[in-house]
Amino acid sequence: SQKIEQNSEALNIQEGKTATLTCNYTNYSPAYLQWYRQDPGRGPVFLLLIRENEKEKRKERLKVTFDTTLKQSLFHITASQPADSATYLCAPQGPRGNTPLVFGKGTRLSVIA
Amino acid sequence: SQTIHQWPATLVQPVGSPLSLECTVEGTSNPNLYWYRQAAGRGLQLLFYSVGIGQISSEVPQNLSASRPQDRQFILSSKKLLLSDSGFYLCAWRSPRQGLYGYTFGSGTRLTVV
Repeated sequence: SQKIEQNSEALNIQEGKTATLTCNYTNYSPAYLQWYRQDPGRGPVFLLLIRENEKEKRKERLKVTFDTTLKQSLFHITASQPADSATYLCAPQGPRGNTPLVFGKGTRLSVIA
Repeated sequence: SQTIHQWPATLVQPVGSPLSLECTVEGTSNPNLYWYRQAAGRGLQLLFYSVGIGQISSEVPQNLSASRPQDRQFILSSKKLLLSDSGFYLCAWRSPRQGLYGYTFGSGTRLTVV
């Protein structure tokens, strides 16, 4: 069965450092991969989508990579700030847009000032 | 602009009571609609999704059901709640015409079954 693993449940990092979150998937051949941010008591918010033929995608301080050989996506936040503290979810997606997203359990990031 | 409304925000219900959660989307037509549940300390679990009026796909067999009586309305129901139904229920939508685009989630309903 399809499986999504996000590297750790919690990650603590000092302000100003780069946070790196990992998303691994098995028994999947996603054409896209999405990343979301979820704050406590709120719904997830879409951040980035990367295609299988894109090695890297950037948005402001965010960078996502997608390695279909390793079956892995890395999510980087550079110059992290306490406001970046949240849970980050990955969701591999098949080529058909109507297929519902299945999410990883998420990594809770805490940026310490 | 498109918005999604979900209510109520919190709900405390006794075991065996019925449930009705409503989600509506504004500013778009024929959206794909989704219900997810997030139990305490766990990930998002897909419950139901719909690509059109009256079309419901169920991902997890349980005592919950969903209906889509109107294009932009998605309802999650139960006839008799169980303790295990407690959780954070999230509605989401996506436009199939926007190509590659993320989901937009509602603000969620925190359900506690007592």
